[in-house]
Amino acid sequence: DQQVKQNSPSLSVQEGRISILNCDYTNSMFDYFLWYKKYPAEGPTFLISISSIKDKNEDGRFTVFLNKSAKHLSLHIVPSQPGDSAVYFCAAQSGGGTASKLTFGTGTRLQVTL
Amino acid sequence: GAGVSQSPSNKVTEKGKDVELRCDPISGHTALYWYRQSLGQGLEFLIYFQGNSAPDKSGLPSDRFSAERTGGSVSTLTIQRTQQEDSAVYLCASSPYRGRGYTFGSGTRLTVV
Repeated sequence: DQQVKQNSPSLSVQEGRISILNCDYTNSMFDYFLWYKKYPAEGPTFLISISSIKDKNEDGRFTVFLNKSAKHLSLHIVPSQPGDSAVYFCAAQSGGGTASKLTFGTGTRLQVTL
Repeated sequence: GAGVSQSPSNKVTEKGKDVELRCDPISGHTALYWYRQSLGQGLEFLIYFQGNSAPDKSGLPSDRFSAERTGGSVSTLTIQRTQQEDSAVYLCASSPYRGRGYTFGSGTRLTVV
């Protein structure tokens, strides 16, 4: 039972253009959503997050949008840079503010081309 | 320490042998998690420790897998009688009691031959 889904295993975008990575979830108990970025041979690193009480959170080139009614979130990267090439994981958490396990999607490999 | 430390970074073992993977979380983090990533797969939850509470073992794939956390700090993940399907990157992460998301270590790449 895949509660967090990333249906696009890969995405290729030209440098300078917008990258849009999508994620869907099924569990309505999730109240916090995160994006992690992973380079080969390294652990995932936190990128940006959003609480379920918001519909948008922006941090520099990265913006996460949440559509609760559709149980959908997306990560926008603009402008995309070659260093953004990595695997991006969407994750969801419940628990109201205390530590709890994250449920991850299967990841989307982003390739930013010159 | 400054980050989550895992050892060894790479481990090659023969099928049927036992292995132990170590995780040293960020000092003061009460929650510790183990995940694994098999080739081409996402991050699979294995086990979660929170303070002195009983661990959430719901993700352990079989009884060959076990983990302990001594003194609320260092954790060891043990895989007995390893099988080739156990080959994966095993990731440890930690977080404070009140907090969202966690900090991951660099992982241990386990190869069972």
